[in-house]
Amino acid sequence: GENVEQHPSTLSVQEGDSAVIKCTYSDSASNYFPWYKQELGKRPQLIIDIRSNVGEKKDQRIAVTLNKTAKHFSLHITETQPEDSAVYFCAQRADSWGKLQFGAGTQVVVTP
Amino acid sequence: EAEVAQSPRYKITEKSQAVAFWCDPISGHATLYWYRQILGQGPELLVQFQDESVVDDSQLPKDRFSAERLKGVDSTLKIQPAELGDSAMYLCASSLGTGISEQYFGPGTRLTVT
Repeated sequence: GENVEQHPSTLSVQEGDSAVIKCTYSDSASNYFPWYKQELGKRPQLIIDIRSNVGEKKDQRIAVTLNKTAKHFSLHITETQPEDSAVYFCAQRADSWGKLQFGAGTQVVVTP
Repeated sequence: EAEVAQSPRYKITEKSQAVAFWCDPISGHATLYWYRQILGQGPELLVQFQDESVVDDSQLPKDRFSAERLKGVDSTLKIQPAELGDSAMYLCASSLGTGISEQYFGPGTRLTVT
């Protein structure tokens, strides 16, 4: 079963607005938190990741924040565009071999 | 840009039949992962290889699933016999190494068991 809880399961936003997806985890030893974007019928693709020694990371319109004390991390998408519509998955590295545990995904729909 | 290759892309099989999936990782990637993704859920790791060795198969239903990576390059995942509940997307991913190393996913094989 998943040790990463992801919310919300669906998110509908107006073009230009911001979208926020939150994930919580239970393993205090987790030290790597990637986010994947999966468009319909396509492979998951890494869009941003953060390591446990960093609290925030930005890449253009995408940012990720990490709160290790509270064991949660969030994806922020600003100025959303229709091409941002996809399913987004958070994940955490579960062991030293690199195994990732994924959240259940968030379906983001950006309406023009 | 190098990508992970998988075949077939789609497979329909009857229950109790055998089915096999193939994955070719990005050249030079030592670590290879097989994930199962049920519709509406995140990928779940089935088996992980480091070169030709299995390092994690704790979630692999070993009574019917098997995986190999004989020469430490491409890999095959087999199901025998297939069951209705095996219908899912089977994703292969690879990375340079273990630990904190980006995983690159293949396009997946969509399996439907009838």
